[in-house]
Amino acid sequence: SAVISQKPSRDICQRGTSLTIQCQVDSQVTMMFWYRQQPGQSLTLIATANQGSEATYESGFVIDKFPISRPNLTFSTLTVSNMSPEDSSIYLCSVLGEGGGQETQYFGPGTRLLVL
Amino acid sequence: GDSVTQMEGPVTLSEEAFLTINCTYTATGYPSLFWYVQYPGEGLQLLLKATKADDKGSNKGFEATYRKETTSFHLEKGSVQVSDSAVYFCALSDRGGGFKTIFGAGTRLFVKA
Repeated sequence: SAVISQKPSRDICQRGTSLTIQCQVDSQVTMMFWYRQQPGQSLTLIATANQGSEATYESGFVIDKFPISRPNLTFSTLTVSNMSPEDSSIYLCSVLGEGGGQETQYFGPGTRLLVL
Repeated sequence: GDSVTQMEGPVTLSEEAFLTINCTYTATGYPSLFWYVQYPGEGLQLLLKATKADDKGSNKGFEATYRKETTSFHLEKGSVQVSDSAVYFCALSDRGGGFKTIFGAGTRLFVKA
């Protein structure tokens, strides 16, 4: 299994500012992902965080808005840049780990962001 | 691309009623299928999964069978409880798609006492 922690757990930010969210995993994992869950909506994949190289972004998400770092196999950060109220969401880190002999996806507790 | 479609909510049931939440998928490969649950104010939890056709996933009284012929993975529970009130997400993950998990829109379930 994999235990994921995220910091901060929640934040209230002013528009135009940036927030960096940290994701720490208790074991080395190959694949890490960042998701967004807008209020009352489902989860949308933002990007796959690649260790040692640039993240792979999904359609509709760009590096300038959501820069991602992944310096090693247990840690990643997601920055939400130049925030607007539309960025108010829950941001979730997710990893692919070993569970019961099979690859299993684990989700962090999420970071609740409110942009005023 | 791959996608998941699940029945719209909210679904409101009385305690001990039978629950079905429909889920169908489209995928180019052979995905694994999942149901996740999100209780009020909490994070996402894996409820059950199935990795190949005809597999049945089960947990906490919930069941879902991977039906390749109908590309479906409907969630069922014989007798719901108030504590089952939550949002349920159907999802798929395709190894050929880089292990990305694609989620359905979610179905909110309210169970009345």
